[in-house]
Amino acid sequence: EDQVTQSPEALRLQEGESSSLNCSYTVSGLRGLFWYRQDPGKGPEFLFTLYSAGEEKEKERLKATLTKKESFLHITAPKPEDSATYLCAVKSNTGKLIFGQGTTLQVKP
Amino acid sequence: SQTIHQWPATLVQPVGSPLSLECTVEGTSNPNLYWYRQAAGRGLQLLFYSVGIGQISSEVPQNLSASRPQDRQFILSSKKLLLSDSGFYLCAWNPGQGAKQYFGPGTRLTVT
Repeated sequence: EDQVTQSPEALRLQEGESSSLNCSYTVSGLRGLFWYRQDPGKGPEFLFTLYSAGEEKEKERLKATLTKKESFLHITAPKPEDSATYLCAVKSNTGKLIFGQGTTLQVKP
Repeated sequence: SQTIHQWPATLVQPVGSPLSLECTVEGTSNPNLYWYRQAAGRGLQLLFYSVGIGQISSEVPQNLSASRPQDRQFILSSKKLLLSDSGFYLCAWNPGQGAKQYFGPGTRLTVT
């Protein structure tokens, strides 16, 4: 069964304190791994797509990496505006997106 | 550019009442359309998806239904709401050949 597990569920950081969010997955035929950011009361906003192990994508303070079993979202020197819930999803050979529960990040000034 | 709209933004309905949520996409043709539900503290659950007018696939058995009367319009309905239908409903789309999904602003439904 296709499954996505994100950890930790919640993360509190001080401004400037770098850390990583984890997304572990089991899927039949990975056709892409996606990271989204979701602010409270809003729809998810697309961040990255990764397709193969070893691939990396960067955007400002965020960097996503992919292995055969998991993905990491590294946050370097976060700012309070990076506070949000970060969602990971995988697309299997069924064509559907399977989402994890999300990691809620709070960055304190 | 493409945009996706959902309305209403918030809705409070009593148990047993009907429901109609609407989603429209602008700036594209023949999109794949999706309805998700997000319960508090939980991930997104795919409810329905559509690859074309009148073509609806259901993922979860429930008292909800979906319809696609026009190419860029997707409607989520219920004849009688249950308390368990409360949640945040999200509509999403992607191009027929693409993988990345774009989400709408969502509708917060509270069933009382």
